[in-house]
Amino acid sequence: GAVVSQHPSRVICKSGTSVKIECRSLDFQATTMFWYRQFPKQSLMLMATSNEGSKATYEQGVEKDKFLINHASLTLSTLTVTSAHPEDSSFYICSARDHGSSYEQYFGPGTRLTVT
Amino acid sequence: GEDVEQSLFLSVREGDSSVINCTYTDSSSTYLYWYKQEPGAGLQLLTYIFSNMDMKQDQRLTVLLNKKDKHLSLRIADTQTGDSAIYFCAEFRSNQFYFGTGTSLTVIP
Repeated sequence: GAVVSQHPSRVICKSGTSVKIECRSLDFQATTMFWYRQFPKQSLMLMATSNEGSKATYEQGVEKDKFLINHASLTLSTLTVTSAHPEDSSFYICSARDHGSSYEQYFGPGTRLTVT
Repeated sequence: GEDVEQSLFLSVREGDSSVINCTYTDSSSTYLYWYKQEPGAGLQLLTYIFSNMDMKQDQRLTVLLNKKDKHLSLRIADTQTGDSAIYFCAEFRSNQFYFGTGTSLTVIP
């Protein structure tokens, strides 16, 4: 079945540093990938939609200069949290849509970011 | 309303059936989904139903769809302790997924 991986699974960084999270579709091509943020005991909040070879589309209220998204290939999207602050600590989940099927979306295992 | 709504908590005894309910927002949504999230993990797709169906059964899982009332339910038969998790419903509309608030299912041994 379709598998999406994320790396790293957990990361701890100091305030002011930047952190990159990778999302890969392992056995299918994903023209579209999504980045979500999830706070404890809450639902997923869509941050941005990433299309291969073009600029990401950010949801209202999400700072595009702070959360840099790059979708350079059909199997890889990256999210870079720049100048991280403690309030950026969260669980970040990516998902990927199979190139051939718009209604099927597969989720990565998530990345737990802690900013100290 | 504009949000996909679910009750927050459900507790059942092992071996009983669990029913998790969801009210979605748009009767034109084409697909509706149930995802399971275990602690510290991503979302696992359990099942989905196309909007022209009323029911779908897959082993212990039964999905019921009432399109008129925009109501979706997930029934888990013979609930096991391994079923303890958060369950999210989601609707697919305007080429995007919209998730419910999640229902935390606790299975009591």
